[in-house]
Amino acid sequence: TQLLEQSPQFLSIQEGENLTVYCNSSSVFSSLQWYRQEPGEGPVLLVTVVTGGEVKKLKRLTFQFGDARKDSSLHITAAQPGDTGLYLCAGGGTSYGKLTFGQGTILTVHP
Amino acid sequence: DSGVTQTPKHLITATGQRVTLRCSPRSGDLSVYWYQQSLDQGLQFLIQYYNGEERAKGNILERFSAQQFPDLHSELNLSSLELGDSALYFCASSLNPGGLSGANVLTFGAGSRLTVL
Repeated sequence: TQLLEQSPQFLSIQEGENLTVYCNSSSVFSSLQWYRQEPGEGPVLLVTVVTGGEVKKLKRLTFQFGDARKDSSLHITAAQPGDTGLYLCAGGGTSYGKLTFGQGTILTVHP
Repeated sequence: DSGVTQTPKHLITATGQRVTLRCSPRSGDLSVYWYQQSLDQGLQFLIQYYNGEERAKGNILERFSAQQFPDLHSELNLSSLELGDSALYFCASSLNPGGLSGANVLTFGAGSRLTVL
């Protein structure tokens, strides 16, 4: 069974601070995706990384896939209150389309 | 609006009852996935269908069943409901069935919140 461990579970910071969320596994994934979920809505895809060592930037968000494709990180620079939400990492397997999700990180950015 | 439609949005029922959750995938998507989200378990994969056929099964209880119809909409049936079945149930869809050809992108619906009293 493939498992993804996300840390930290909760993050409460002030506007303007930087933060990093980690997603780790002992399993290799063919791809790693990051989603953001707001209350009352489903997860929305932020980014997909597929190559070991790959780094992708989305405005103030930087995503990295580990060289061995077992871990990933999400770094947010100068966080804003609008970044508040549940961040989920999800690993794609090699046989099917299903995704294995981490437990999520609840981020609260205070003005 | 993600294009994935789930009904009902909220459902309150009693233990022992049976409910059906419905999902219409995004236009053009052939694959449908069902996930359960609870506070202690996070998002758990239940089952996947591709073009009407079951493709992958996850931690789906025997009391639960699903199907995908010729028009590609899907239904998740939950029976003999227990208190622990209270959760958010998400449907997601994708164009491809997934596999070695690359990352599979899922589009999620807004979910159906089930409360079992």
